[in-house]
Amino acid sequence: EEQLLESGGGLIQPGGSLRLSCAASGFTFGIYAMTWVRQAPGKGLEWVSVILNSDYRTYYADSVKGRFTISRDDSKNTLYLQMYSLRSEDTAVYYCAKHRGGSPTDFFDIWGQGTMVTVSS
Amino acid sequence: DIQMTQSPSTLSASIGDRVTITCRASQSISSWLAWYQQKPGRAPKLLIYKASTLESGVPSRFSGSGFGTEFTLTISSLQPDDFGTYYCQQYHSYSNTFGQGTNLEI
Repeated sequence: EEQLLESGGGLIQPGGSLRLSCAASGFTFGIYAMTWVRQAPGKGLEWVSVILNSDYRTYYADSVKGRFTISRDDSKNTLYLQMYSLRSEDTAVYYCAKHRGGSPTDFFDIWGQGTMVTVSS
Repeated sequence: DIQMTQSPSTLSASIGDRVTITCRASQSISSWLAWYQQKPGRAPKLLIYKASTLESGVPSRFSGSGFGTEFTLTISSLQPDDFGTYYCQQYHSYSNTFGQGTNLEI
């Protein structure tokens, strides 16, 4: 069964840093693009960042550009999101999601259960 | 960025009803549109991609249509398990914008 499992969320003070992980299983992780999507409490879905499988190109939402870094370790079947300079508006459930293919423009067929990040003093 | 606008924001319906949700894109996205269902406290679930292709395992009462800037998700006969929030997503550009969601109450 294809699965994604996020970890690393928690309570962090404004200005702090946090690294999220997403462990993949049940599929060949290295041949798919992977994405992070977040959802603030009571709000809709917001795409955050994508990393390709072939050349590891990355793209970011304007709201996180320069503060977040997406990366992947295909040998460990793991996706990461390093978050710096966190703000209260970054408070959200963070989901990792698998693309159907290797393109950055794609839909997401597998989602993790999410990990909550709360930025508050 | 491409903006996605869903209507209605909230929809109340009864079991057996035919339900339609609309999603409009701020510019043409061809058929690069997906629909997801999300239940409280759960991750979104893919229902439809490429505007009208049903994901494997999704009941046939769900269908999608549209092209360009206007799209619809239809549930032909509403079932109790269909409550939740529905989101459209454009994947014409890498920013992968979502609609604001439609909360379906049964």
